Amino acid sequence: DTEVTQTPKHLVMGMTNKKSLKCEQHMGHRAMYWYKQKAKKPPELMFVYSYEKLSINESVPSRFSPECPNSSLLNLHLHALQPEDSALYLCASSQDETQILLYEQYFGPGTRLTVT
Amino acid sequence: GDSVTQMEGPVTLSEEAFLTINCTYTATGYPSLFWYVQYPGEGLQLLLKATKADDKGSNKGFEATYRKETTSFHLEKGSVQVSDSAVYFCALIQNFNKFYFGSGTKLNVKP
Repeated sequence: DTEVTQTPKHLVMGMTNKKSLKCEQHMGHRAMYWYKQKAKKPPELMFVYSYEKLSINESVPSRFSPECPNSSLLNLHLHALQPEDSALYLCASSQDETQILLYEQYFGPGTRLTVT
Repeated sequence: GDSVTQMEGPVTLSEEAFLTINCTYTATGYPSLFWYVQYPGEGLQLLLKATKADDKGSNKGFEATYRKETTSFHLEKGSVQVSDSAVYFCALIQNFNKFYFGSGTKLNVKP
């Protein structure tokens, strides 16, 4: 099983809502990633979790709050978002953050988020 | 800083045509280079990679050679199929920690 699953596929939320994005992998990977991808742009790294600890935060606003409850799950909690936060949010995992050249990153299909 | 520049798309080809998507990079040191593909409605998939100069990555008929002298990693395929229609991202990684993606090139292959 080389699959990373993400739910929901689509999410529409207002600026005062609180919602969460979920990501799951069962490949035994110990590194998990959140990326943001705007239309016709490349993915931009947001967060990296390594062995369930946050190892990289790319200066992401606090209205995005990641959580890694266990080695298979990664959540992204959303609160008080702005319309410009509308994007495709991609989750990825790899066997080990430090061996990124040896171990491929597997991406999920993404959650298409629209903030109204 | 480190960066990747790709040719602008979209690139439209007929089936069985030859494909080249140009990619050049700017980096200090010796990065590793990648091509990722994103099919409509899906996440990114690693297509091929090269970790040192003169390495050739290949997969599914696609090839790219790491050219240090021209700082390039152009993607080629001898005969494209309709199923190759997707967005292709060139990327580099250095110091084992962060990907730098190019802006992506959309490929449309017509029957």
